[in-house]
Amino acid sequence: NAGVTQTPKFRILKIGQSMTLQCTQDMNHNYMYWYRQDPGMGLKLIYYSVGAGITDKGEVPNGYNVSRSTTEDFPLRLELAAPSQTSVYFCASSSLAGEYNEQFFGPGTRLTVL
Amino acid sequence: DAKTTQPPSMDCAEGRAANLPCNHSTISGNEYVYWYRQIHSQGPQYIIHGLKNNETNEMASLIITEDRKSSTLILPHATLRDTAVYYCIVILSIQGAQKLVFGQGTRLTINP
Repeated sequence: NAGVTQTPKFRILKIGQSMTLQCTQDMNHNYMYWYRQDPGMGLKLIYYSVGAGITDKGEVPNGYNVSRSTTEDFPLRLELAAPSQTSVYFCASSSLAGEYNEQFFGPGTRLTVL
Repeated sequence: DAKTTQPPSMDCAEGRAANLPCNHSTISGNEYVYWYRQIHSQGPQYIIHGLKNNETNEMASLIITEDRKSSTLILPHATLRDTAVYYCIVILSIQGAQKLVFGQGTRLTINP
């Protein structure tokens, strides 16, 4: 199993551009999450999903959109990039059937908005 | 979910036990204590969790005080690869989607 994969690894955007961060998991997990991490800080939850077709806001959803059309994929969309969205973005997944309900994290996408 | 307080940084010699404290004085009776760590710039990694009893797995031990207001993560024989930021997180439910709230954690440095 590859676990949780994220693409791209790095990206530089200009203000006002849009992009989609991709996240895929091959563990058949029900739950998926998007977090962002600013320098020197802990992670903050942007959006999460409890299954295909169901998403909900986390702590910092403004400026982002998500969709969950399949169990495996949970893309994060930035419509109008702003410098405040410069951050490292982590996708995670967890299982309803997991014994510890721990979250498995991807390697992250480092985004810079100039 | 209850708030947690951790020291910003700690040092430990290689081969010694690393003891990382966490205060969660407002924890309620059905909230769990989870520990994750983040090595360099990688995604966080689950370590261990507990409710009331002390827990041990292949990575670490978790000691929770009787009043549950604080806990200690113990890495019994720290190695250089244990250098990381360690996060103590209190979460209400062990089932369902967990909206983890990460503080700034403790930056643990293992010295040779």
